Amino acid sequence: GAVVSQHPSWVICKSGTSVKIECRSLDFQATTMFWYRQFPKQSLMLMATSNEGSKATYEQGVEKDKFLINHASLTLSTLTVTSAHPEDSSFYICRPDRGGTEAFFGQGTRLTVV
Amino acid sequence: GEDVEQSLFLSVREGDSSVINCTYTDSSSTYLYWYKQEPGAGLQLLTYIFSNMDMKQDQRLTVLLNKKDKHLSLRIADTQTGDSAIYFCAERDDKIIFGKGTRLHILP
Repeated sequence: GAVVSQHPSWVICKSGTSVKIECRSLDFQATTMFWYRQFPKQSLMLMATSNEGSKATYEQGVEKDKFLINHASLTLSTLTVTSAHPEDSSFYICRPDRGGTEAFFGQGTRLTVV
Repeated sequence: GEDVEQSLFLSVREGDSSVINCTYTDSSSTYLYWYKQEPGAGLQLLTYIFSNMDMKQDQRLTVLLNKKDKHLSLRIADTQTGDSAIYFCAERDDKIIFGKGTRLHILP
């Protein structure tokens, strides 16, 4: 399957600070990147969709000014959680899409805001 | 909007078959997926099926799709302790929508 690298795998930050999460597709080019989050014992919820070189499209209820997405190249997308608060603590997962049938996800980043 | 439903828990004895069921609402789904998630880990793609197929078998895994009833199932033959995880059903049209996951517990 495709190789997707997400970094960091876990991060603890202080309330009010910003955290950047990177997602790289190592062996394919991703024209579209999907970002999900998963609260404990919940399902994955789509946060936003971004196309390379374009602004991201956010799902209803997701604040675009809080979750900044950059998709500057076909192999790298970043999600920045700005002014993080404890309620932002979650598991964030990326999915770079190369247009095929199979859908591979990053390993996830567990964010804990204290 | 689209919705994917699964039962939350399933307990199975080691060596028996596990059957995890899923229903979805989007009739325009093109693919349906099964993912496995172990504690603290990301999602592992187990298998997928095209919406125009009825069945797909891959080693111990068998996927059955009833498109008319919008019902998908995953059968794991000879369930092992390593199969203990949360299994997510997902349907895809332009986006991938996930169910809440079924926690599979293996009894000795």
